[in-house]
Amino acid sequence: QVQLVESGGGVVQPGRSLRVSCAGSGFTFSSFGMHWVRQAPGKGLEWVAIISYDGSNEYYADSVKGRFTISRDNSKNTLYLQVNSLRAEDTAVYFCAKDRYSGAAAGSLIDYWGQGTLVTVSS
Amino acid sequence: DIQMTQSPSSVSASVGDRVTITCRASQGIYSWLAWYQQKPGKAPELLISAASKLQSGVPSRFSGSGSGTDFTLTISSLQPEDFATYYCQQGHSFPVTFGGGTKVEIK
Repeated sequence: QVQLVESGGGVVQPGRSLRVSCAGSGFTFSSFGMHWVRQAPGKGLEWVAIISYDGSNEYYADSVKGRFTISRDNSKNTLYLQVNSLRAEDTAVYFCAKDRYSGAAAGSLIDYWGQGTLVTVSS
Repeated sequence: DIQMTQSPSSVSASVGDRVTITCRASQGIYSWLAWYQQKPGKAPELLISAASKLQSGVPSRFSGSGSGTDFTLTISSLQPEDFATYYCQQGHSFPVTFGGGTKVEIK
């Protein structure tokens, strides 16, 4: 069955950087687009970014554009999110999620989610 | 960007009640609409894709309808395990956007 396991969260000071990872298994990782979605404490879901199956296309939410970078290593079945210049408002659970499609063009559907990793931005 | 407006933001209901949640897109999205259920401390789970396609393993008391800009999620007879927060999401274009969520609470 599809499994997505995030890691790398923690407490980080404002302005610092962090990389969170997501290991995928139970499916052909290199065939599907992958997303990051975040959820601030007590708030709703906020989409962050998507990367296409081969890493050639990326799209970002305006709120993170220029500070966050999504990437993937298909040889390791792993998705990454590099988060720079962190702000208090970036505090959230970061979910890795699989798309049902390739992510190479518009038209997406998130069909599986990981359990999330908590990133807390605090001095 | 496409805005997704979900209503109500919360609803109190009893076991056996019929519950309807609506989601409106700021522009037409054909049937690129999904519904998710999230329980406290858990990841969301996909209930319905393509506006009305029930996912495997999801009880038939859940149904979705609509196309274009107006969509509905209906729970025909609320069960104890259905108390959760529900989100709509459009996948028509990037950025992907979610509705604000509807919390279904016990009356």
